[in-house]
Amino acid sequence: GQNIDQPTEMTATEGAIVQINCTYQTSGFNGLFWYQQHAGEAPTFLSYNVLDGLEEKGRFSSFLSRSKGYSYLLLKELQMKDSASYLCAVTDSNYQLIWGAGTKLIIKP
Amino acid sequence: IAGITQAPTSQILAAGRRMTLRCTQDMRHNAMYWYRQDLGLGLRLIHYSNTAGTTGKGEVPDGYSVSRANTDDFPLTLASAVPSQTSVYFCASSAEPNTQYFGPGTRLTVL
Repeated sequence: GQNIDQPTEMTATEGAIVQINCTYQTSGFNGLFWYQQHAGEAPTFLSYNVLDGLEEKGRFSSFLSRSKGYSYLLLKELQMKDSASYLCAVTDSNYQLIWGAGTKLIIKP
Repeated sequence: IAGITQAPTSQILAAGRRMTLRCTQDMRHNAMYWYRQDLGLGLRLIHYSNTAGTTGKGEVPDGYSVSRANTDDFPLTLASAVPSQTSVYFCASSAEPNTQYFGPGTRLTVL
């Protein structure tokens, strides 16, 4: 079957760095997405990786290793507004998005 | 309009009633999707449409139907609502097969 695993919840301190991991087992691979979702709001696009390596976008970076079925989202200089759920999703061989359950990130002052 | 809109924002519905959730996008995206999101389960695909005039079933299609008469609109109908359909419903669109953009969601409660 197809499966996306990510931690249910993480806690970090304002100003620090946090890494949210995602492992996947899917039928085929056509890219991996990270989305941010604040409580009561819609998911919003953060990043897309299709090749191995690190993609940096401001305070956020996303890494992909296709051979390991692994990705992480790195958030630097954490701010209180980064408190949200972070969703990992993989596009399979049929170009359907398979979603993880999300990681709830709690930022403490 | 800029992006995707959904209506209503929230709704309380008696079991057995029929309900249509509306979704409209103005980005001329070919593909559109309906998801439900339940606590601890993440987003689950109900139905999708790769282009106007075509639809397909997702992971949890039972009890739901969709139509795609044109590019912009993708309504989701619950023919006879049941309490297990209480959820938050998100519509999304994409310039297939790329990034999906989400509407603000509809919070539906079936009593």
